[in-house]
Amino acid sequence: NAGVTQTPKFQVLKTGQSMTLQCAQDMNHNSMYWYRQDPGMGLRLIYYSASEGTTDKGEVPNGYNVSRLNKREFSLRLESAAPSQTSVYFCASSEWGQGATGELFFGEGSRLTVL
Amino acid sequence: TQLLEQSPQFLSIQEGENLTVYCNSSSVFSSLQWYRQEPGEGPVLLVTVVTGGEVKKLKRLTFQFGDARKDSSLHITAAQPGDTGLYLCAGRPLGRLYFGRGTQLTVWP
Repeated sequence: NAGVTQTPKFQVLKTGQSMTLQCAQDMNHNSMYWYRQDPGMGLRLIYYSASEGTTDKGEVPNGYNVSRLNKREFSLRLESAAPSQTSVYFCASSEWGQGATGELFFGEGSRLTVL
Repeated sequence: TQLLEQSPQFLSIQEGENLTVYCNSSSVFSSLQWYRQEPGEGPVLLVTVVTGGEVKKLKRLTFQFGDARKDSSLHITAAQPGDTGLYLCAGRPLGRLYFGRGTQLTVWP
């Protein structure tokens, strides 16, 4: 049972380069999320998708774009990477949206370094 | 401004000791969750509390939701090295889920 799978697990970029983080879940969940985690800052929501075909901004959306490709997949794109985007990125999914009491299932994280 | 304040930020104790970590806010939450995160992994849900005053037990872990639904605590009895990790509280004041900054717990043998 794979759960939430993120790729790549590690990536080093130079300032200005672009890249896409991929996320897929096999639990038939409706909602998917992208968080970033920085030391001492906890988890901050970048974007989320309450259901297939919809996306919304979270707390820290600047510099990012997302695509809900289908019910399984939710990608995060950095168009022009900056050192401030060095972080660990987590994808998560839940059966229902942010307003429900349901559990979030997280991937193992993607560690991104921007030089 | 952090919506959920967790304390302490760091906690280092010996095996067998008891500990309590806190999650506080000025906002009222419809529900509150606690997650544990181990190095190199994503957070994993421990418990969800939804009723003011609710107490839930998970083996040696006891979770309490404040009567006013603005705060929560996690108490661990007889801590073990396997309890080491980052403990995160998360709450939904107005639908969206917000995380605290976490308490990093280290339990030494």
